Amino acid sequence: AQTVTQSQPEMSVQEAETVTLSCTYDTSESDYYLFWYKQPPSRQMILVIRQEAYKQQNATENRFSVNFQKAAKSFSLKISDSQLGDAAMYFCAYNDAGNMLTFGGGTRLMVKP
Amino acid sequence: DTAVSQTPKYLVTQMGNDKSIKCEQNLGHDTMYWYKQDSKKFLKIMFSYNNKELIINETVPNRFSPKSPDKAHLNLHINSLELGDSAVYFCASSRPPGQQWTGSGNTIYFGEGSWLTVV
Repeated sequence: AQTVTQSQPEMSVQEAETVTLSCTYDTSESDYYLFWYKQPPSRQMILVIRQEAYKQQNATENRFSVNFQKAAKSFSLKISDSQLGDAAMYFCAYNDAGNMLTFGGGTRLMVKP
Repeated sequence: DTAVSQTPKYLVTQMGNDKSIKCEQNLGHDTMYWYKQDSKKFLKIMFSYNNKELIINETVPNRFSPKSPDKAHLNLHINSLELGDSAVYFCASSRPPGQQWTGSGNTIYFGEGSWLTVV
């Protein structure tokens, strides 16, 4: 079974600074997708960024980018120019053709003004 | 327009009651899901339906029964509610297997969640 691990229960960053959230996963599949979801206090699950495993280029969405290391099975999220609105729980997730999204345990990000 | 909508958003009920949570998606997806997020924020899949057919049924008590009247709807009925059922329940949808490697790929879109509190 696939597993997703987020080793940082909490992270803190100063406003305007950069922070990196870690995620590792375990799979025997070669084709799969990886995601980062943001969950603010409202509990809504918001897709932040997506990475296809067959693409070597790291995905980027504005201030959010990933460092995808397929051999190491690592998928970290970098948030640049952190804003107060970035404060939330962040979940790393894995999905393959098996149609089931597996989540990590989450990282709570706090942004200090 | 909300892509995946679920009702009610908040539900407080007594132990032993039966309740339902409804979900609808207007994304044209064939596959729908129910996820449960417990008090420790851990998210775990409960059920997955593809075109009204059950394809994933994780270890969930029989008191939980999903029903899909059509591919745009997946409702969750819970019998004999227990304190441990208190959680946030998320409905979600995506393209089915086989269509997930094109376009937006295997992205799963979530509803806003239904906060269930059993007292």
